[in-house]
Amino acid sequence: QSVLTQPPSASGTPGQRVTISCSGSSSNIGSHGVNWYQQLPGTAPKLLVYRNNQRPSGVPDRFSGSKSDTSASLAISGLQSEDEADYYCAVWDDSLNGCVFGGGTKLTVL
Amino acid sequence: EVQLVESGGGLVQPGGSLRLSCAASGFAFSSYWMHWVRQAPGKGLVWVSRINNDGSTTRYADSVRGRFTVSRDNAKSTLYLQMNSLRAGDTAVYYCAREGVGGGGFDYWGQGTLVTVSS
Repeated sequence: QSVLTQPPSASGTPGQRVTISCSGSSSNIGSHGVNWYQQLPGTAPKLLVYRNNQRPSGVPDRFSGSKSDTSASLAISGLQSEDEADYYCAVWDDSLNGCVFGGGTKLTVL
Repeated sequence: EVQLVESGGGLVQPGGSLRLSCAASGFAFSSYWMHWVRQAPGKGLVWVSRINNDGSTTRYADSVRGRFTVSRDNAKSTLYLQMNSLRAGDTAVYYCAREGVGGGGFDYWGQGTLVTVSS
């Protein structure tokens, strides 16, 4: 059972907009910036969004993040087949004194 | 080009020990906090440990505290994870990751090294 709650799966058709939620608490999302990672099959994770809504260079602006109170969301617009991957939210937790990841959301492009 | 290359994984019996290494290149290693993250087969990402840039402060997940020790050699640009009293539940791919400046997420990851704990 992860400290951060994500839906186990999400899906959409090419061109659609999909959102993935991440629910936490005051000791983690409520106190720190949220980061999002994309993991393509058989590869290491890649940073997609950091500090809630910042994109590293090279990440398309189709990916955007937001945060409100103790929840965060990752939105992917103009869905493409290559977006099919696992997505994880992560944040520091003051109660655990460690970083916590969500359980991950498997995105399927239909 | 930033590179992180893990090594040291393998098959070990329950109760055994293993030391993982993460060789860093392409950036000022001594300026960055570093982390270990693991992923059991078919499962999600789990944070394991963090060490600050000069090695003076470490943090661990509850599941490994007291058994694992993170350390670094800034002169060799290498991060380590000493794993003792290994259990079947420690079986996973272990990734080292660099923390971006100012807590900007884990911006670079290694390719991972597989640790299998089994008799």
